[in-house]
Amino acid sequence: ILNVEQSPQSLHVQEGDSTNFTCSFPSSNFYALHWYRWETAKSPEALFVMTLNGDEKKKGRISATLNTKEGYSYLYIKGSQPEDSATYLCAFHQGAQKLVFGQGTRLTINP
Amino acid sequence: NAGVMQNPRHLVRRRGQEARLRCSPMKGHSHVYWYRQLPEEGLKFMVYLQKENIIDESGMPKERFSAEFPKEGPSILRIQQVVRGDSAAYFCASSGPGRENTEAFFGQGTRLTVV
Repeated sequence: ILNVEQSPQSLHVQEGDSTNFTCSFPSSNFYALHWYRWETAKSPEALFVMTLNGDEKKKGRISATLNTKEGYSYLYIKGSQPEDSATYLCAFHQGAQKLVFGQGTRLTINP
Repeated sequence: NAGVMQNPRHLVRRRGQEARLRCSPMKGHSHVYWYRQLPEEGLKFMVYLQKENIIDESGMPKERFSAEFPKEGPSILRIQQVVRGDSAAYFCASSGPGRENTEAFFGQGTRLTVV
């Protein structure tokens, strides 16, 4: 069984604050790690695809890091805004096979 | 370049009927994934297909469910003799080949309701 764990399950953050959450995945046979943003009533949209240990990627106020040896990735959001409210999913791609998603972190930004 | 197209968006079936869900991947994409989202749950992997091949179907129930991705035409997820527990949103995603092209593009989903 391939387990992808995300924590926390939900998070409430004050507007303007920064936040981060975690994705842990098996450290064997790593191929790629993805982060997606999923807004209610829409489809998940990719934020990052990370393939190398030590990768750091950034898109605006959102960034992500990757540690394949210990099997974790962090997603950071700087200066949270109400439009950042969404569910953030990570997905683990093992050995060019299936893409397995975590349960997601549901982020709510309080104005 | 049209995105991933799923149809129908909403499907109502009576218990015992068959449900056929279609997914047309993005142009140039040869990899298709199907996921099921149950209420209050995340995306559960069902099956991963490439053109004319099922690569991994470890998430598919052993009975009543099947999937195909023919050489021509959309990928089809077929559920025979539907039961109430099959009610869920079914999402399809497609991606290209190669490690740096594995970003999955999702369709809008098909919401299946079994009555």
